[in-house]
Amino acid sequence: AQRVTQPEKLLSVFKGAPVELKCNYSYSGSPELFWYVQYSRQRLQLLLRHISRESIKGFTADLNKGETSFHLKKPFAQEEDSAMYYCALSDPFYNQGGKLIFGQGTELSVKP
Amino acid sequence: DTEVTQTPKHLVMGMTNKKSLKCEQHMGHRAMYWYKQKAKKPPELMFVYSYEKLSINESVPSRFSPECPNSSLLNLHLHALQPEDSALYLCASSQDVSTSGRAIAYEQYFGPGTRLTVT
Repeated sequence: AQRVTQPEKLLSVFKGAPVELKCNYSYSGSPELFWYVQYSRQRLQLLLRHISRESIKGFTADLNKGETSFHLKKPFAQEEDSAMYYCALSDPFYNQGGKLIFGQGTELSVKP
Repeated sequence: DTEVTQTPKHLVMGMTNKKSLKCEQHMGHRAMYWYKQKAKKPPELMFVYSYEKLSINESVPSRFSPECPNSSLLNLHLHALQPEDSALYLCASSQDVSTSGRAIAYEQYFGPGTRLTVT
């Protein structure tokens, strides 16, 4: 079964510290992986996707097919990074209709 | 206009009421989605419309009835809801949906949601 696992419900770091939000997936095909972010009282928005290989707001994520992981990293966390982060998977070949499989989310809290 | 809008922002309804949630986008997107989200939980897909036709219904109870009057509008009609249906209802849209000939996962753009309370 397709599954996305985010093992940490809450991650608390100090400003300026490195941060890594973990995401592992269970899927045998060729999925596309995404990170979505939901700031307090704001809409859910795409942060980045593995095929674009971009760095957004200082965040990067590398798809590791061997370890089936797509961890989100930032070298120096900022207070404004505090938000809920969701890892999501989509397989366009099999998930007709664009279905996204979301992980349970990790709440990131960056303390001053 | 690059946003998905939703009305109302908040809705309180009794279990015998009938109400509707509305979603609108003017990005020319041909796929639209309804999600339900409980506090600090991921969104749960309810329905997908592709080219104004219902393509996915995730076994949602019939007290939720979606409607896509045209390519820009998506409604969710509510009737005889239960208190456990209280949640944030999110609408999303994407340029298209995946087809077997084009294996691309299109980005979904989310609206701000309607916070629904069923009393």
